[in-house]
Amino acid sequence: KQEVTQIPAALSVPEGENLVLNCSFTDSAIYNLQWFRQDPGKGLTSLLLIQSSQREQTSGRLNASLDKSSGRSTLYIAASQPGDSATYLCAVRRYGGSQGNLIFGKGTKLSVKP
Amino acid sequence: GAVVSQHPSRVICKSGTSVKIECRSLDFQATTMFWYRQFPKQSLMLMATSNEGSKATYEQGVEKDKFLINHASLTLSTLTVTSAHPEDSSFYICSATGGDYGYTFGSGTRLTVV
Repeated sequence: KQEVTQIPAALSVPEGENLVLNCSFTDSAIYNLQWFRQDPGKGLTSLLLIQSSQREQTSGRLNASLDKSSGRSTLYIAASQPGDSATYLCAVRRYGGSQGNLIFGKGTKLSVKP
Repeated sequence: GAVVSQHPSRVICKSGTSVKIECRSLDFQATTMFWYRQFPKQSLMLMATSNEGSKATYEQGVEKDKFLINHASLTLSTLTVTSAHPEDSSFYICSATGGDYGYTFGSGTRLTVV
């Protein structure tokens, strides 16, 4: 059974700092991995999608890496801003299974202080 | 980019009544839609998967007679919580995919049953 773990559960940093969020999964047979952002009481916004054949994806100040063999992904945020404060969720899409649904971690709650 | 509209964003209902939540893909055809439930400080839990024109597939432990899902068209899926009880109070989120790519999520519905 696929399990997704995110560490740390919460993180508080001063503005301008670079930071790394971690995601690990137990079954390396994934189709892809996706990072999302969730603001309080809101839905999910997709940040980056990494296909299983890829090693990393970049968008602006965000960089996500994927190491399938070790079951790990990291989300790197450069020069953090107060507007980055949110919960970041990692999700893996498995092959087959229930129509290929996503398995989510519990998220990392990020707080960037001015 | 792909947009999924979810409505309503908040609803309060009396115990014993039914509530319908709509999920629409605005600019793409969603062959598959997913319904998730999220409790505070917990990850998203998949409730069911719906394919256009066919019956939904429910995850273990989810009562299909209580959570009615209809996916009558390629752009609309609805979740009806029947005979709602206070324990059904939660945050419900839908997502949609049009193929072998990422998932687009709705903005979520906060259901409170009083």
